[in-house]
Amino acid sequence: NAGVTQTPKFRILKIGQSMTLQCAQDMNHNYMYWYRQDPGMGLKLIYYSVGAGITDKGEVPNGYNVSRSTTEDFPLRLELAAPSQTSVYFCASSASHGPYEQYFGPGTRLTVT
Amino acid sequence: EDQVTQSPEALRLQEGESSSLNCSYTVSGLRGLFWYRQDPGKGPEFLFTLYSAGEEKEKERLKATLTKKESFLHITAPKPEDSATYLCAVQALTGNQFYFGTGTSLTVIP
Repeated sequence: NAGVTQTPKFRILKIGQSMTLQCAQDMNHNYMYWYRQDPGMGLKLIYYSVGAGITDKGEVPNGYNVSRSTTEDFPLRLELAAPSQTSVYFCASSASHGPYEQYFGPGTRLTVT
Repeated sequence: EDQVTQSPEALRLQEGESSSLNCSYTVSGLRGLFWYRQDPGKGPEFLFTLYSAGEEKEKERLKATLTKKESFLHITAPKPEDSATYLCAVQALTGNQFYFGTGTSLTVIP
C-alpha cells in the first residue's frame, strides 16, 4: 500500500496563477481532508469530504476549491494564487467507522511570489 | 468552541531524561484524542488513539494517557531519534472535523 500520496512536492506560483494539488489514497477510506500548516499555527482544515460527491468547508476555505469524483482522489484547486496561500499543504484520509485516526501524505510546499 | 492547547511549545532533554508533554482540550463530547509525530519536511505520522478517560497506550518509549480534560505523552529514557514535533488532535462526537494543537518540538541531546 502506498497510503496517501501527494503531488507535486514543491511548487512556486506567481500571484494570480492557478494550480491543482493532487491527493490520492489506496486504503479505501471514505473520509479525506486538506490542511494547511503555517509555522507556529498548527494544522488548519481547508476542506473535507465524507465520500465521493460530498464535500464541505473547513476552517479556512477561502481561495480554494475541491471536488471528489472517486473514493481514491481528492484534488485541491487554488484559483488566483495570493502570497497568503504560501504554506505547506497536507492531505489526509481516515475510515468512516472506527478506528478514526487520520493518515497523512508527505505534503506539498507551495510558495506564491 | 472545540480547541486544543499543547505545552510546552519546545522541550530540550538530555538523552535518558524522562519527561511529559501536555495536551489540554475542550470539546463537546470526545470521539477520540490522537497523538502524531512529525519530522521536519514530512507529514504527521500516527502514534496513538485514546477514546475514554483512564485509557493508556504504549509504544516503545512513549506512553499516552487520557483524562477528561487533558492527555499526556510520557517519554521514558528518550533517545536522539525521538527528536520531532509531537501533535495532539481531538475529534468531537458530532461532526467530522479534527482540531489540532500547535505541537511540542522535542529535542533530545546525546
